[in-house]
Amino acid sequence: GQSLEQPSEVTAVEGAIVQINCTYQTSGFYGLSWYQQHDGGAPTFLSYNGLDGLEETGRFSSFLSRSDSYGYLLLQELQMKDSASYFCAVGESNNAGNMLTFGGGTRLMVKP
Amino acid sequence: DTAVSQTPKYLVTQMGNDKSIKCEQNLGHDTTYWYKQDSKKFLKIMFSYNNKELIINETVPNRFSPKSPDKAHLNLHINSLELGDSAVYFCASSQGIGGEQFFGPGTRLTVL
Repeated sequence: GQSLEQPSEVTAVEGAIVQINCTYQTSGFYGLSWYQQHDGGAPTFLSYNGLDGLEETGRFSSFLSRSDSYGYLLLQELQMKDSASYFCAVGESNNAGNMLTFGGGTRLMVKP
Repeated sequence: DTAVSQTPKYLVTQMGNDKSIKCEQNLGHDTTYWYKQDSKKFLKIMFSYNNKELIINETVPNRFSPKSPDKAHLNLHINSLELGDSAVYFCASSQGIGGEQFFGPGTRLTVL
């Protein structure tokens, strides 16, 4: 089976930097993705790491260490609109095919 | 144009009824998914459908049956609805298995 751990809630102020960690246990791992979901909305793709290291997309960066089964999402220059839930998702290959398994999500609250 | 669409957006029904949720994607993707998101925001994959091959999550009751008339459509049919089926259901699609997934707006199902 597989499991993912990420904090349930994080609070930060506008302009700050926040890091959301994700640890996972899975077999057949091929990559780690991050999705953002606003209340009442659909998950939207943020980033993907297939190899170790840092991927940067504007204010958001994502990191992966395969040897540590660990990744994180870094959000810089926080804005009020960044208040949302953030999900890490592991890509796993098994007999059933390749699928994403999502973590429980981290609810980020950005305060003025 | 909406990339991934679902109908209806809201569905309220009685226990024991049979209902369907429709999903259409106009991205030309060959893989479509169904997810269930419960009240605690856990997002769990139910099915994936790749080039007419259905991959079933074994934890999904057989009251749930996906039907794909063509690559652009993956509808979800639910028989004998139960209270515990109340959730938001998302369909999603990707190019190939494991690529970035594009989610539909979701269908909020309430079983009374």
